[in-house]
Amino acid sequence: GAGVSQSPRYKVTKRGQDVTLRCDPISSHATLYWYQQALGQGPEFLTYFNYEAQPDKSGLPSDRFSAERPEGSISTLTIQRTEQRDSAMYRCASSPGTTTYEQYFGPGTRLTVT
Amino acid sequence: AQSVTQLDSHVSVSEGTPVLLRCNYSSSYSPSLFWYVQHPNKGLQLLLKYTSAATLVKGINGFEAEFKKSETSFHLTKPSAHMSDAAEYFCVVRSTSGTYKYIFGTGTRLKVLA
Repeated sequence: GAGVSQSPRYKVTKRGQDVTLRCDPISSHATLYWYQQALGQGPEFLTYFNYEAQPDKSGLPSDRFSAERPEGSISTLTIQRTEQRDSAMYRCASSPGTTTYEQYFGPGTRLTVT
Repeated sequence: AQSVTQLDSHVSVSEGTPVLLRCNYSSSYSPSLFWYVQHPNKGLQLLLKYTSAATLVKGINGFEAEFKKSETSFHLTKPSAHMSDAAEYFCVVRSTSGTYKYIFGTGTRLKVLA
């Protein structure tokens, strides 16, 4: 596609529900990143993929968070049993590869847990 | 471990005057450093990057940054601010410890006064 897209753009959910966020990277981009951005803060690394491999998931806050990229293109981030502290902007970025430095960011998904 | 510190959370300048946004980094190895800009309700966009080539890096929209190893700094400058520069700016370092994750600073909000 022309750019990185994310869906939904806004999600309101009740505490305890599961949510799945989707990221559609630029086609042919090998590397995909997920970030969590709280209000007034910088993006915080969650995890990244190189094709379908997930070399680093050290930023995932707890085992309630998981991410997949089964075919090396579209990725999903799932949060189980959501808590209010999960409310944030979730950003996805893609890059041609790990040796290419520029990341292309999507518009983000604003998650609100009530 | 790598980290970045943005020394000012808010900076206000008058239109036409110079801009200085300060960033200090911590890294055991020669770092890769970046500045990203985020306009309101928009995604993040790469302004410029330093990847161990020339220490003075020129970016888009007239911005530049100088890598100073002795001061562990990577300050962002622009000779003359424009109203359209009002945005949030993030200094970023890429990890060199066997993973390709990026670490963002907390951001500096730039306000440009008419």
